[in-house]
Amino acid sequence: AQKVTQAQTEISVVEKEDVTLDCVYETRDTTYYLFWYKQPPSGELVFLIRRNSFDEQNEISGRYSWNFQKSTSSFNFTITASQVVDSAVYFCALSGHAGNNRKLIWGLGTSLAVNP
Amino acid sequence: SQTIHQWPATLVQPVGSPLSLECTVEGTSNPNLYWYRQAAGRGLQLLFYSVGIGQISSEVPQNLSASRPQDRQFILSSKKLLLSDSGFYLCAWSHRQGKNQPQHFGDGTRLSIL
Repeated sequence: AQKVTQAQTEISVVEKEDVTLDCVYETRDTTYYLFWYKQPPSGELVFLIRRNSFDEQNEISGRYSWNFQKSTSSFNFTITASQVVDSAVYFCALSGHAGNNRKLIWGLGTSLAVNP
Repeated sequence: SQTIHQWPATLVQPVGSPLSLECTVEGTSNPNLYWYRQAAGRGLQLLFYSVGIGQISSEVPQNLSASRPQDRQFILSSKKLLLSDSGFYLCAWSHRQGKNQPQHFGDGTRLSIL
C-alpha cells in the first residue's frame, strides 16, 4: 500500500526564519513520483514541484528547496528566510508508476504560520 | 496556457436539496479530471476521476455523482444533500498523456448544508 505521512501538523515561525516541512512516504513501486502543493488561506491548491524516483538531485527554486532522500523515503521541503506570504497549508503527495498512476496519495498537510 | 474554472465559489443549501457544481478546463484537450472534497480536518479525499467523456470512476460510495458531458466539463451532482456533504470541493485536471502528471486545481467551492 502507498502512504504519505506529514508528521508536523502545525508549525509556527517568525519571519526570516528557515523552516523545513517533513514528508515520509511508503510505496512498493520502484518508479514513483512525489509532489508538493501549497494551499494558501484563499483555498486553491498550487502545484509546487514534481520529482521522480530516479532523480535524487536536490532542487532549489528561489527560497524553496527540496531534499529527496530515497534511503529514508523522505522528500522534505525547506523554505529559507520565510515570509508572511508563505503562510499556508502544504501538502506532500505520491503517485505510483504501476496500476492507476492518475491518482495521488495525499498527506494530511502541514499548516505553516509565518508571523511578522 | 491552461485554466480551470469552478463555480460557484460558495453555496449554502438546505438538507434534501439538489446540487450541481460545474468545472470547466480551457487550453488543453483530453484532460484527466478530478473531484475532491476537503473536510475541516484538511485531508483531501478523491471523490471521482474521469479519463474521457462519459467515463467516471468513483472512489468512495456516497450521496454524490459525477458526469462528464463534454471533454473539458466535469459536473458534481446530488439529488438530495445531506449534512455530511458540507465541505470544500475542488476540481482538478491533469494532462492525460505522460505518466504521473501534476494535477492543477480550481479555486474550489465552499458548500454549507443547513
